[in-house]
Amino acid sequence: DAKTTQPNSMESNEEEPVHLPCNHSTISGTDYIHWYRQLPSQGPEYVIHGLTSNVNNRMASLAIAEDRKSSTLILHRATLRDAAVYYCIRLIIQGAQKLVFGQGTRLTINP
Amino acid sequence: NAGVTQTPKFRILKIGQSMTLQCTQDMNHNYMYWYRQDPGMGLKLIYYSVGAGITDKGEVPNGYNVSRSTTEDFPLRLELAAPSQTSVYFCASSYYRVDSPLHFGNGTRLTVT
Repeated sequence: DAKTTQPNSMESNEEEPVHLPCNHSTISGTDYIHWYRQLPSQGPEYVIHGLTSNVNNRMASLAIAEDRKSSTLILHRATLRDAAVYYCIRLIIQGAQKLVFGQGTRLTINP
Repeated sequence: NAGVTQTPKFRILKIGQSMTLQCTQDMNHNYMYWYRQDPGMGLKLIYYSVGAGITDKGEVPNGYNVSRSTTEDFPLRLELAAPSQTSVYFCASSYYRVDSPLHFGNGTRLTVT
């Protein structure tokens, strides 16, 4: 199965770090891990991606386990605008890059 | 850049009617995609295209058709609308690179009654 496994929901407080876990135990050696988030009534928005090593950008950090069977998206200081559904996705390469979405984690940020 | 633009934003169809969902992108991306999202669920891939004149089926293609005559446009056609096609439809595009992020439009909310 190409889909990933994430908790249905998580809650955190404003200005605290948030660690969003993802399990992708069937991942192959060439599959990238992408994270997208979706705010209400909007299309998904790219957050970060990685293959083997940890990655940082202005939005978040991505920590990938050494065996690549799991990863964690880290929001260093959550704000109320980070409340969204976060999708951890495997990028499947079959003719084109195809993202296979799971149900995602709904993140609630408390003020 | 406007990015990925989808029209219309909302539409109500009667069972058996047809319509075309429009999608255009101004980023010169090779790849374009159509996804649908049912309430409370993740996105499912309907069709995708790797360039003008080339399209292929995704996970849930039944009841839909696509064409790609230009790099910019990737319309999705519903021929005989059914209640099961009530959903939010998202168009996306990306470069031809194995790790390129997808850029999504803001969606078309379709109701079939």
